[in-house]
Amino acid sequence: EAQVTQNPRYLITVTGKKLTVTCSQNMNHEYMSWYRQDPGLGLRQIYYSMNVEVTDKGDVPEGYKVSRKEKRNFPLILESPSPNQTSLYFCASSLSRPGGSYEQYFGPGTRLTVT
Amino acid sequence: SQQGEEDPQALSIQEGENATMNCSYKTSINNLQWYRQNSGRGLVHLILIRSNEREKHSGRLRVTLDTSKKSSSLLITASRAADTASYFCATDAEGDFGNEKLTFGTGTRLTIIP
Repeated sequence: EAQVTQNPRYLITVTGKKLTVTCSQNMNHEYMSWYRQDPGLGLRQIYYSMNVEVTDKGDVPEGYKVSRKEKRNFPLILESPSPNQTSLYFCASSLSRPGGSYEQYFGPGTRLTVT
Repeated sequence: SQQGEEDPQALSIQEGENATMNCSYKTSINNLQWYRQNSGRGLVHLILIRSNEREKHSGRLRVTLDTSKKSSSLLITASRAADTASYFCATDAEGDFGNEKLTFGTGTRLTIIP
């Protein structure tokens, strides 16, 4: 089954404790992306990757890191989480970049709480 | 900043009625997409319309695009309880190497009353 998986689905952590949210897709997609969703703000793009070893900042990259060492995986790293990073996070992938008219496939989401 | 803004923020209608929601955006685009999100879950792609298209249909969905007004509308006909969800428009936005960003609006929360 074609899908995007994220782990963990729920995470409660404390300020400053490094964490990684994994994302994996099995569709051989080139483009992968991370979003955060907050009430009243919709989805905001954090980072995206056009292909292996090619990543770039979205609209809200501060406090996050990503890497793309393999085509299927795109982990999101919070080196020193803070309470303002409490949010619902989504990973997504598509065949290629949005400007080429490709739909995004979304993971189920990771609900992160930083205390 | 938000590229897309949906209107209204919330909409409640009786089952069987039609639902219309609108999206406005700010810069030139290659395409506009609509997604649905059931409460707290991942988004699901509904329909994509390219900048050179004016209208597109998919089942009970009808999307229009007016690039001169930088706006789009999503019409859901003969609504069902299962259509209760949030609906988001998304537009491609320019990055360093072309339109590789995707920007979402704030969404319209649709409630279908049985």
